[in-house]
Amino acid sequence: QVQLVQSGAEVKRPGASVKVSCKASGYNFHTSHFHWVRQAPGQGLEWMGLVNPTNGDTSYAQDFQGRVTLTRDTSTSTVHMELSSLTSDDTALYYCAREISATFYLDYWGQGTLVTVSS
Amino acid sequence: QSALTQPASVSGSPGQSITISCTGTNSDIGNYNSVSWYQQHPGKAPKVMIYGVSNRPSGVSNRFSGSKSGNTASLTISGLQAEDEADYYCTSYTTINTYVFGTGTKVTVL
Repeated sequence: QVQLVQSGAEVKRPGASVKVSCKASGYNFHTSHFHWVRQAPGQGLEWMGLVNPTNGDTSYAQDFQGRVTLTRDTSTSTVHMELSSLTSDDTALYYCAREISATFYLDYWGQGTLVTVSS
Repeated sequence: QSALTQPASVSGSPGQSITISCTGTNSDIGNYNSVSWYQQHPGKAPKVMIYGVSNRPSGVSNRFSGSKSGNTASLTISGLQAEDEADYYCTSYTTINTYVFGTGTKVTVL
């Protein structure tokens, strides 16, 4: 069965970077794009970006341009999201989600990774 | 890219129908048939309920339906049930190869 398993919770200082991973299993890794979506406590969903695992092509939300980097490791069917220059506003639950290529919707989601930014 | 606009809350009694609107622009909803809707219960990951404006994934109740007119998409829940109480988000692909979510709507079953 399709599974997206994310890495564990992180606590970071302001100004630091965080890297969250998402390991896919149960299907052909190359048939999908991977999106990252975050949700601050009590707030709505916010789209961050996507990566094409076949060629590494990325697209980022304007609000995160220059601060977020999405990468993939095809040998382990894993995608990574790195966010730099963290502030307390980046405290949120970060989700990875799968889009079967060119279908424009997210059919499977990871369990979420809580990133807390605190001094 | 500004978030799509949804009403903060919608409520209805069991058995009633409710509709949630999602308003965007010519750069997103108005330009593509790529609107999808997600249901999120507290503490859970979102679940897709509608994709491609009006398509239901396998396993989603036919009480959920979607439509679009111009720059506004809508999600209708008919025969409202207690289990439908959740937050709902729309999303759309955009002309700059990004996606944008709606502001979210809390559905309350009275």
